[in-house]
Amino acid sequence: GESVGLHLPTLSVQEGDNSIINCAYSNSASDYFIWYKQESGKGPQFIIDIRSNMDKRQGQRVTVLLNKTVKHLSLQIAATQPGDSAVYFCAEKEYGGATNKLIFGTGTLLAVQP
Amino acid sequence: DTEVTQTPKHLVMGMTNKKSLKCEQHMGHRAMYWYKQKAKKPPELMFVYSYEKLSINESVPSRFSPECPNSSLLNLHLHALQPEDSALYLCASRRGTGDGYTFGSGTRLTVV
Repeated sequence: GESVGLHLPTLSVQEGDNSIINCAYSNSASDYFIWYKQESGKGPQFIIDIRSNMDKRQGQRVTVLLNKTVKHLSLQIAATQPGDSAVYFCAEKEYGGATNKLIFGTGTLLAVQP
Repeated sequence: DTEVTQTPKHLVMGMTNKKSLKCEQHMGHRAMYWYKQKAKKPPELMFVYSYEKLSINESVPSRFSPECPNSSLLNLHLHALQPEDSALYLCASRRGTGDGYTFGSGTRLTVV
């Protein structure tokens, strides 16, 4: 099930199940979105990205869905494995300008139960 | 080379010390970033360099001083830090016109 902890929402799934991690982004001017995976003690690792002119993109075992109407992003992981256990962050980049800011969402801890 | 390399991996410093964090990339990326990450929190943007010039300072205290000596190297000079500055400091780089941000593994900083 899904629960909201003091700082980090947690999603607990069984090995082999599909996982869906959600993210609400804040800026309607954002034109590019990335999902990162971060394991303990490591830097964020790129998983998949999507531009604002798309609503779906698929990678290996992962799919990102973008709903600009409600400013919602989701990451679907098929056949979740123990190695998928990590914190997942969505990040958004604002369109245009020289800033190239990449701003991270709160993050979700994915815990895969064997 | 498709990596961002950060050194040192771990650093313990006293509040009166001066130290520097180093970040290096050889991907030809022209934008480089410093982020600070506290435990169980998302990375927070500190500084952005674009074509070796500082383009964003997110109201970071002056005890953090960034430097970009060339297009491959980014430093973060630390002086008179506080215990609450203890965190994971992440460096990232990005192509100038394309997308794709690459992060290093970070420096775990502890201020005592």
